[in-house]
Amino acid sequence: AQTVTQSQPEMSVQEAETVTLSCTYDTSESDYYLFWYKQPPSRQMILVIRQEAYKQQNATENRFSVNFQKAAKSFSLKISDSQLGDAAMYFCAYRSYSGGGADGLTFGKGTHLIIQP
Amino acid sequence: NAGVTQTPKFQVLKTGQSMTLQCAQDMNHEYMSWYRQDPGMGLRLIHYSVGAGITDQGEVPNGYNVSRSTTEDFPLRLLSAAPSQTSVYFCASSSPSGGHRNTIYFGEGSWLTVV
Repeated sequence: AQTVTQSQPEMSVQEAETVTLSCTYDTSESDYYLFWYKQPPSRQMILVIRQEAYKQQNATENRFSVNFQKAAKSFSLKISDSQLGDAAMYFCAYRSYSGGGADGLTFGKGTHLIIQP
Repeated sequence: NAGVTQTPKFQVLKTGQSMTLQCAQDMNHEYMSWYRQDPGMGLRLIHYSVGAGITDQGEVPNGYNVSRSTTEDFPLRLLSAAPSQTSVYFCASSSPSGGHRNTIYFGEGSWLTVV
């Protein structure tokens, strides 16, 4: 079974600065997907960014980018120019490639991101 | 765009009562699943389905039943509610094909308290 570990229960950053959230995972599979989800106080699950393991290029979405290190099984999220609206819980998640991902996502425990004005 | 719709959003149950959390999606997705989220935890998979008539257990299936009679609906049943089932429940759907294949769409969550 796969496991996902987020070692930072809480992070704090000043508005407009850059912050990096860490995620490591354990798997014996070679093909898989990795995701970062944002969960604001409303509890809505918002997809921030996704990475296919077979792609060497790191995914980027505007101010959000990842550092994907497949050999190290590391998948960190960098948020540039932090904004007050970025404050939320952030979850790292893993999904198997086999079976089309029908058996869902494995989540880490989350990192609570605080943005200081 | 309805997406994934869950009802009810909030529910209080007494220990031993039964209830059904409803989930419907209008995207014609083959895959549907139920997760629960407890304090300090990420979401954990309860049950999932790859199509009508086919369901399977996830990480934490005990105390829950599911069925999938149509592509659109995937209800989650609590047969005899226990305080340990107090949680926020999320329904999700995805498809292995199409332009947004394998992107998992979540409902807004159902807050369940068992007293």
